Amino acid sequence: GENVEQHPSTLSVQEGDSAVIKCTYSDSASNYFPWYKQELGKRPQLIIDIRSNVGEKKDQRIAVTLNKTAKHFSLHITETQPEDSAVYFCAASSSRQLTFGSGTQLTVLP
Amino acid sequence: DAGVIQSPRHEVTEMGQEVTLRCKPISGHDYLFWYRQTMMRGLELLIYFNNNVPIDDSGMPEDRFSAKMPNASFSTLKIQPSEPRDSAVYFCASSLGVGHQPQHFGDGTRLSIL
Repeated sequence: GENVEQHPSTLSVQEGDSAVIKCTYSDSASNYFPWYKQELGKRPQLIIDIRSNVGEKKDQRIAVTLNKTAKHFSLHITETQPEDSAVYFCAASSSRQLTFGSGTQLTVLP
Repeated sequence: DAGVIQSPRHEVTEMGQEVTLRCKPISGHDYLFWYRQTMMRGLELLIYFNNNVPIDDSGMPEDRFSAKMPNASFSTLKIQPSEPRDSAVYFCASSLGVGHQPQHFGDGTRLSIL
């Protein structure tokens, strides 16, 4: 089955700096890669997703890049703000089933 | 749009008791997923349904766990008998069936087995 590895597990950045979270996957058939943000005590919420026919997607301060050859994808957050502090999960899917990474605790320091 | 609705939000019960978690997916969504989240194991898919039919239950940890979806607007996850190691947050999610569509999560049920 699919295996998704996510790094780093924790990340601290100064407000205004950029944050990058990286994920690798094992199943070359995977073709859908969503990212979820989970605030403490809340549900995971989709923030951006990318399909394998696209190499990069951007939504305001958030961007995701995908390298299918290397089987890795990354989340980029620019101009970080304190409200970006949360756990971020990547996921990969070749069918209907999502396999999640282990999560990255992002802390944005004021 | 009311989103995915789960109940109860919190459940505290004693070991050995039966626990039933409930989920109402977003109207029109034909896929429903049950996840368990713990610090040790992260987000794990337990089972998912398509058009009320269980498709993959390989993530269900043991026979004490069972899930049903009697109709398109309701699903249950049951644990009988419950054990302390079942303590976790259980999420339900739903999605549309065409192509790759995002999964929308409910607020979860925080389960504590004493």
